[in-house]
Amino acid sequence: EVQLVQSGAEVKKPGESLKISCKASGYSFTNYWIGWVRQVPGKGLECMGIIYPGDSDTRYSPSFQGQVTISVDKSISTAYLQWSSLKASDTAMYYCARQGSGMDVWGQGTTVTVSS
Amino acid sequence: EIVLTQSPGTLSLSPGERATLSCRASQSVSSSYLAWYQQKPGQAPRLLIYAASSRATGIPDRFSGSGSGTDFTLTISRLEPEDFAVYYCQQYGSSPYTFGQGTKLEMK
Repeated sequence: EVQLVQSGAEVKKPGESLKISCKASGYSFTNYWIGWVRQVPGKGLECMGIIYPGDSDTRYSPSFQGQVTISVDKSISTAYLQWSSLKASDTAMYYCARQGSGMDVWGQGTTVTVSS
Repeated sequence: EIVLTQSPGTLSLSPGERATLSCRASQSVSSSYLAWYQQKPGQAPRLLIYAASSRATGIPDRFSGSGSGTDFTLTISRLEPEDFAVYYCQQYGSSPYTFGQGTKLEMK
């Protein structure tokens, strides 16, 4: 079965760092782009960026460039999204998804809450 | 960056009716790389349509997509109770990939 399994919910303070993960299974990880999507509570979907695990080619949406880092570890079929200094405005649900013909496989989402 | 504008923002219909959702792009979407998603509360989005008009695996044939260039449409031919949700379009033809703001389909 093709699936993406994300790490668990996080509660952090402003200024802290964070790295969340997305583990792929059931398909060739290096052959499909992986995207990260943010959803602020009650709002729509925002594509943060995409990465191609085969060569780590990464493209960020302008709103997220410099705010987050997307990476992969091919050896364990896992993609990451990380922040060096969280803000309260980073509070959201974060999804990873396989980007083939559309985003056809989604992780279950990771809730990130940033509060002092 | 391609901006996608969905209309209407909210659509109120009854089961059995036909739903027509629109997605307009600020510039032409390359190779009709346009997808539609359904999202229900507390769930991850689900891919319905890719390449503007191809149904994803397991999607009922009451869902259909059409369009090219800058204008795209998602049609649900006869609404079932489980179809009431939020729908998003996404273009994946040029980076950065972008989503529309969503259309909420609510039961009348």
